[in-house]
Amino acid sequence: SQTIHQWPATLVQPVGSPLSLECTVEGTSNPNLYWYRQAAGRGLQLLFYSVGIGQISSEVPQNLSASRPQDRQFILSSKKLLLSDSGFYLCAWSVERDYGEAFFGQGTRLTVV
Amino acid sequence: GDSVTQMEGPVTLSEEAFLTINCTYTATGYPSLFWYVQYPGEGLQLLLKATKADDKGSNKGFEATYRKETTSFHLEKGSVQVSDSAVYFCASGGKLIFGQGTELSVKP
Repeated sequence: SQTIHQWPATLVQPVGSPLSLECTVEGTSNPNLYWYRQAAGRGLQLLFYSVGIGQISSEVPQNLSASRPQDRQFILSSKKLLLSDSGFYLCAWSVERDYGEAFFGQGTRLTVV
Repeated sequence: GDSVTQMEGPVTLSEEAFLTINCTYTATGYPSLFWYVQYPGEGLQLLLKATKADDKGSNKGFEATYRKETTSFHLEKGSVQVSDSAVYFCASGGKLIFGQGTELSVKP
């Protein structure tokens, strides 16, 4: 069966520090991968999605970047965090050629102080 | 670009009341449409989906019909329970864009 792992679960980082959140999927090949941010009261905002290794689409210009160095690995990064980067970050995957039904990780609560 | 708009919450209902949560979308083509649910303290999970116009998705007493002519996918349930209290998200396929979420609170 397929599983998705996302870590860390919580993170407190100072302003200006770098960020690296990792997400891996097991049990499937060539998944579509997504990074979302869920801000309080604002729903889910799509940040990045990827249909294959090295293929990243950015939905919202901002202080973050994403990379997909391996088929089932998706990394969210920042060189210098801002206070406004605080939020709940969710990784998700869906089956190739069916961009719909997605499966979510447990999320990372990021607090920038 | 693609977008999903759903009615704002919070929505507070008494047990056994009728529920409607509106959702409309804009998209290129005819994407699959989804409702996800997030129970308190849990992650998102798929509630139901519809893959083409006039399809009706259903699960746990919830229903939603894919209406191409009105670009809508409203969520309905005839009799809500306290256990239905959660945040509900409408989403469209393709890029998998989500609406802003609607918090439902059902009182006994």
